Amino acid sequence: ETGVTQTPRHLVMGMTNKKSLKCEQHLGHNAMYWYKQSAKKPLELMFVYNFKEQTENNSVPSRFSPECPNSSHLFLHLHTLQPEDSALYLCASSQVRAGELFFGEGSRLTVL
Amino acid sequence: KQEVTQIPAALSVPEGENLVLNCSFTDSAIYNLQWFRQDPGKGLTSLLLIQSSQREQTSGRLNASLDKSSGRSTLYIAASQPGDSATYLCAAKLTQGGSEKLVFGKGTKLTVNP
Repeated sequence: ETGVTQTPRHLVMGMTNKKSLKCEQHLGHNAMYWYKQSAKKPLELMFVYNFKEQTENNSVPSRFSPECPNSSHLFLHLHTLQPEDSALYLCASSQVRAGELFFGEGSRLTVL
Repeated sequence: KQEVTQIPAALSVPEGENLVLNCSFTDSAIYNLQWFRQDPGKGLTSLLLIQSSQREQTSGRLNASLDKSSGRSTLYIAASQPGDSATYLCAAKLTQGGSEKLVFGKGTKLTVNP
């Protein structure tokens, strides 16, 4: 596998469910990101991890919980979500500061 | 507030036409600017990255320029093809107070008609 891989590609969950999104990068990068993309809005940065340490949390509700066990893997744990959380969740990676961002294909989340 | 604006929001052109997509940013303290392509329901594909010390970058039929003084970047697509139809996003890495923030525009949806 190459690049940035996200699973699952599609997820439907009820408001009381607990699920997780997974991201894996095979590029040797040391920074990983979660973005949210909703219709007609710019991409919203949610979390940033540099060398496995969380360096940014953009006022994301606690029902979204990130986990970064190592520089290659990133998770987004979801619990008691709201219908307005339905969106495309994108994972990205980069070398810290060098800049070029590489994205996964995204996980399309629908909250019923 | 740091903002990135892309105009137009949508563009429709006949196949073979050369076209320019625009991106403007509010802060001249830019570290780099990246252009992406996004197909419906898919992730973002990196097209070109321009560092603040560069004026332009080229890849095949694509050419991106950066003018820091005017706060503008353009993406030039030569001899457009139907396969170029997608949403094009620019993202500026802006520096403020010693920290860096990547700010995305809302994108330009391009349709190239056969």
